[in-house]
Amino acid sequence: NAGVTQTPKFRILKIGQSMTLQCTQDMNHNYMYWYRQDPGMGLKLIYYSVGAGITDKGEVPNGYNVSRSTTEDFPLRLELAAPSQTSVYFCASMGSTGQPQHFGDGTRLSIL
Amino acid sequence: GQSLEQPSEVTAVEGAIVQINCTYQTSGFYGLSWYQQHDGGAPTFLSYNALDGLEETGRFSSFLSRSDSYGYLLLQELQMKDSASYFCAVYASGGSYIPTFGRGTSLIVHP
Repeated sequence: NAGVTQTPKFRILKIGQSMTLQCTQDMNHNYMYWYRQDPGMGLKLIYYSVGAGITDKGEVPNGYNVSRSTTEDFPLRLELAAPSQTSVYFCASMGSTGQPQHFGDGTRLSIL
Repeated sequence: GQSLEQPSEVTAVEGAIVQINCTYQTSGFYGLSWYQQHDGGAPTFLSYNALDGLEETGRFSSFLSRSDSYGYLLLQELQMKDSASYFCAVYASGGSYIPTFGRGTSLIVHP
């Protein structure tokens, strides 16, 4: 029972490079989310999706893009990495309001 | 928008009871959740309250007062492994599937 799987777990990028953080869930959840968490802070919502083909911006979307071609997958794209994007990124899914959000183990991203 | 306030840090001793408070401001309240996060780990779900009152799950309980825009997480019989960060998250009726998280409370349990 995998739940939410994120890859990679760690990554170091140079300024200006691009990369895609992968997220997949096997619970058939409609709702999926990308958060970033800076040290000592809470979770800030980057993008979310309410179903395949539907995505919307969260609180801090600048510098990121997402797509949701299937129910299972919700990749997050960084186009031109900047030092301010150094953070821990969590993907989550949820079946419906009031149900638990299930989180992946996170991707620790450093941009140098 | 939504905003939440919770203490930044709480300390307690093993075996004690501790309460972590969360006050919120939101236009159209839908529900309040609590999550636990150990250092370096993913947040894990603890509880969800949509109605006033106390919900009990083992050593953890969560309380909600909608009229006071206030909730708390109660941890009983504290154990060292309870040392972690605890986040409250509010769901607003305008986007009931989009939680807004507080900044978290770091709980330190001493022997």
